[in-house]
Amino acid sequence: EAGVAQSPRYKIIEKRQSVAFWCNPISGHATLYWYQQILGQGPKLLIQFQNNGVVDDSQLPKDRFSAERLKGVDSTLKIQPAKLEDSAVYLCASRWDSRDEKLFFGSGTQLSVL
Amino acid sequence: QKEVEQDPGPLSVPEGAIVSLNCTYSNSAFQYFMWYRQYSRKGPELLMYTYSSGNKEDGRFTAQVDKSSKYISLFIRDSQPSDSATYLCAMNSGGYQKVTFGTGTKLQVIP
Repeated sequence: EAGVAQSPRYKIIEKRQSVAFWCNPISGHATLYWYQQILGQGPKLLIQFQNNGVVDDSQLPKDRFSAERLKGVDSTLKIQPAKLEDSAVYLCASRWDSRDEKLFFGSGTQLSVL
Repeated sequence: QKEVEQDPGPLSVPEGAIVSLNCTYSNSAFQYFMWYRQYSRKGPELLMYTYSSGNKEDGRFTAQVDKSSKYISLFIRDSQPSDSATYLCAMNSGGYQKVTFGTGTKLQVIP
């Protein structure tokens, strides 16, 4: 079974530039998450999708962050414009559905904002 | 007060030692408890998952949950250098509720 795929692996941009991350969850997984992990901290939920609908985006900085999962499969997270404090690893995770608590993570995209 | 508090570490132990990793939580609605292991430059991987209070064992790993004290632990027996990683506790209240993570404890097992 293929795992959660994320790209790019690394990204370096200057502040005020835009950036996009892509995630393809495990096949058949209805629930998809984007987490932000700042160095030395645990993952912090940005947004949760159930199929192509948003379940929780309460911690997403909506003035600069956006995410979509149009066909209920892969997802894109965008930051525009980026700030220095956005430097972090962006993790995508998926799970089968709400009855299964186990999350499976991708390797993440490490973003450096200079 | 954070919903989930985790001993910050770092923790350095000799090979073969018993390791105890701990988390406390404040949200009594949490029902599902997980431990994830995260190697450097990798995403977290699920190590242990438990629902009820008590102990759950899997090889050298034992997860312990005490809902009355809102306290969970992960024990690693006969620790190996390959166990060197950051360990994250995680929990949620089920259904569509978000999974909340601790800050992680970095463990180093010295050969």
